[in-house]
Amino acid sequence: ILNVEQSPQSLHVQEGDSTNFTCSFPSSNFYALHWYRWETAKSPEALFVMTLNGDEKKKGRISATLNTKEGYSYLYIKGSQPEDSATYLCASVSGNTGKLIFGQGTTLQVKP
Amino acid sequence: GAVVSQHPSWVICKSGTSVKIECRSLDFQATTMFWYRQFPKQSLMLMATSNEGSKATYEQGVEKDKFLINHASLTLSTLTVTSAHPEDSSFYICSARAYRDPVYSNQPQHFGDGTRLSIL
Repeated sequence: ILNVEQSPQSLHVQEGDSTNFTCSFPSSNFYALHWYRWETAKSPEALFVMTLNGDEKKKGRISATLNTKEGYSYLYIKGSQPEDSATYLCASVSGNTGKLIFGQGTTLQVKP
Repeated sequence: GAVVSQHPSWVICKSGTSVKIECRSLDFQATTMFWYRQFPKQSLMLMATSNEGSKATYEQGVEKDKFLINHASLTLSTLTVTSAHPEDSSFYICSARAYRDPVYSNQPQHFGDGTRLSIL
């Protein structure tokens, strides 16, 4: 994988549903993986930065896992709420460039 | 903490005009700032990285004479789109980090709200 890819592109769920998205990134020369939540008309907000293979991080109902060997990360939202509606971005950092390479994002819509 | 303010939010101007976008860190010293551009249905693409007091480093394919970046203080970076044309219409967003060394890319970046630029 040369680029950062996210799937699905968009997702519509009912309030209370649990959901998950995928971020695939180049596994060679991996340095860090960032997740951001981007609500409409606001700035992207950092959720997690993960660096170690097997890392799991949690923030309230949101959690993320990381597999650096195969180049993927999952973001999970348990019991989705309407306020979780946003675009979720992941970005990979390779080597010591310090540059974030972003995926296109997964847009989540939670219906009450 | 870690608030970044970006102005203006929206600009509409005529072709040939130069447009300046400001990115300010309000409660921390932003040693490094990043400028991204996003076209419809595409991902955020890094345009350039600027370190305070140094010349910006531009990504391949980004014209440095077209997109002038100034980062003269630890709290302010500006992006000037010179002689803008309709193809420059896009969403521009800045982010900031307190540390210069790329090793700190394991720390989150702090983003502004973005600027929607429309050139008629």
